[in-house]
Amino acid sequence: ETGVTQSPTHLIKTRGQQVTLRCSSQSGHNTVSWYQQALGQGPQFIFQYYREEENGRGNFPPRFSGLQFPNYSSELNVNALELDDSALYLCASSPSAGFNYGYTFGSGTRLTVV
Amino acid sequence: GDSVTQMEGPVTLSEEAFLTINCTYTATGYPSLFWYVQYPGEGLQLLLKATKADDKGSNKGFEATYRKETTSFHLEKGSVQVSDSAVYFCALTDGGGSYIPTFGRGTSLIVHP
Repeated sequence: ETGVTQSPTHLIKTRGQQVTLRCSSQSGHNTVSWYQQALGQGPQFIFQYYREEENGRGNFPPRFSGLQFPNYSSELNVNALELDDSALYLCASSPSAGFNYGYTFGSGTRLTVV
Repeated sequence: GDSVTQMEGPVTLSEEAFLTINCTYTATGYPSLFWYVQYPGEGLQLLLKATKADDKGSNKGFEATYRKETTSFHLEKGSVQVSDSAVYFCALTDGGGSYIPTFGRGTSLIVHP
């Protein structure tokens, strides 16, 4: 059983640019969440997709957008990058949006905005 | 809203010492509780969970008991190893509202030989 894989592992972008991060969920998982983890902080929830529909969103501006595909893989897009967007972006998948399930996390994409 | 509060770190221990990392929560519904561990340069791994009051989650020598009366889910281990050095996150998913995990800020554990 493969876990959650994210790409790329590291990325450097310039302020104002756009970025797309990718995530392949664990086999059999239909729910994907994205988190932003600043250095020394806990993960902050960005949004969640369940069967290709967004079913929850955290306190992030609209320039953070996402997509989930029929195979349940997912993308996170960030437009008009700001310096404060520099963080580790984590993707997590779950067998369902049910609350008793733990999440399986990928190793993350380290985004640096300069 | 839902929140999770963890003790400040870093927690520094010698090998074979007893570990406690405190976690308390507030939730609008009846949450499930989790501990995740993050090793350097890696994503989070689910360590253990408990879904109802008085349940004890356990894994790899770690354990935590869901205490509804004190809204707590403290992580314990009887004898830590150097390989346990990592950041530990307490989290909840609220079954009465959204099912989105809410994380604490994390507690860094450093174990010396």
